[in-house]
Parts: sequence; structure tokens; C-alpha cells
Amino acid sequence: AQSVTQPDIHITVSEGASLELRCNYSYGATPYLFWYVQSPGQGLQLLLKYFSGDTLVQGIKGFEAEFKRSQSSFNLRKPSVHWSDAAEYFCAVRGGTASKLTFGTGTRLQVTL
Amino acid sequence: DAGVTQSPTHLIKTRGQQVTLRCSPKSGHDTVSWYQQALGQGPQFIFQYYEEEERQRGNFPDRFSGHQFPNYSSELNVNALLLGDSALYLCASSFSGVRGYEQYFGPGTRLTVT
Repeated sequence: AQSVTQPDIHITVSEGASLELRCNYSYGATPYLFWYVQSPGQGLQLLLKYFSGDTLVQGIKGFEAEFKRSQSSFNLRKPSVHWSDAAEYFCAVRGGTASKLTFGTGTRLQVTL
Repeated sequence: DAGVTQSPTHLIKTRGQQVTLRCSPKSGHDTVSWYQQALGQGPQFIFQYYEEEERQRGNFPDRFSGHQFPNYSSELNVNALLLGDSALYLCASSFSGVRGYEQYFGPGTRLTVT
């Protein structure tokens, strides 16, 4: 069975500081990995995805993520955080022919000015 | 290009009642998935519909059922509502063809069961 762990429930960073949100997955083969962002009361917006190829993927809003097979990780990064980045971030995995997404419990990002 | 739309936005029901939620997929998408997101949790997969058939189902009781119409829109029905069914219900659409791996989410329907 596939699973996702997001170890950090809540992270606070200052505006302009760098950000890294952690994600660890469990799946027997190469997974499809995703990061979504959710603002309060809203649906989920896809930030970026990894299917294959280059292990460093670029997404929208200046976010990037790196797939590390040896560590079963897919951490999300941003060099300089903006106050508008405050939201809930979810990592998700889709494995092989199973088309459902399995989500982590999310990381709430707070940005201080 | 309209994205995924869901209706209604909010809904309040009483225990034991039945509810129907609706979803229209993004243009060009033929697959609809439904997720339940309890407060403070990540979304949990309920089921997925493709070609008007339930293709995959998560760990939800039979009180949760669905339907997909020829125009690819979908409904989620929940019978005999329980307090624990209170959640944000998210619909996601995707394309079944090659490279159609991304799921695009609607804004959700907030269901409150009293």
C-alpha cells in the first residue's frame, strides 16, 4: 500500500526566508508524486508533479521539489517566501495503475512579516 | 476554460438524512474522483468514476455511492448521514489518456451534519 508522511504539522518562516517542507513516501516502485496547496476554505491547487526524468522539478509560484529515491523523499522548496504563501501544503503519491491519490496530513505554513 | 466546478458550496443536513453533491469536470477530462477531507486532515479517496462506471473505491461504507453521466459530470450520494460525515468533499477530474496523471480539484462542498 502507498502512504505519505509529512513530519512537520506547522512551520513558521519570515517573509523573504527560504522554505523546505518535508515529504516521505512509501511505495514499492517509482511513484508519481505531487505537491498541492490549499488556502483556507478552498480546494487544492497543483504546485508541481514528478513522473520520471529529471529529479528536480519546477512548479508554479517559484516552488521546486527534488525526488530522492534513496531517501524516499520529495521535499518542497522555495528560495524566498512571500506572505501570500501562507497556506496548507499537501504531498501526495499515486502508484502505478492505481489512480487514486494518497495524501499526507499536510503542513501548515505561517509567514511572519 | 472553466475548471472543476462543484455544487452546492455549503450544505447543512440532519443525522439520518441523505445528501447529493455534484461535480462538473474540467473541459477535456473524462474521469472524476471524489475525496473527503475532515478538518485538519488530508483528503481521503472515496471513489473514482470513468466511462460511467466506478473504477476504484477507497475504504468507505456503502452509504457512499456515486454516479457519472454521459457528459462526464458526477454525483456523490451519502445516505443515513452521521455526524462523522461532516467534512469538505472535494471532486477532482483528470484525463484517462497518456500523460493524464494530474488531478485537478474543485473548490469543494462543505457538508455539516447536525
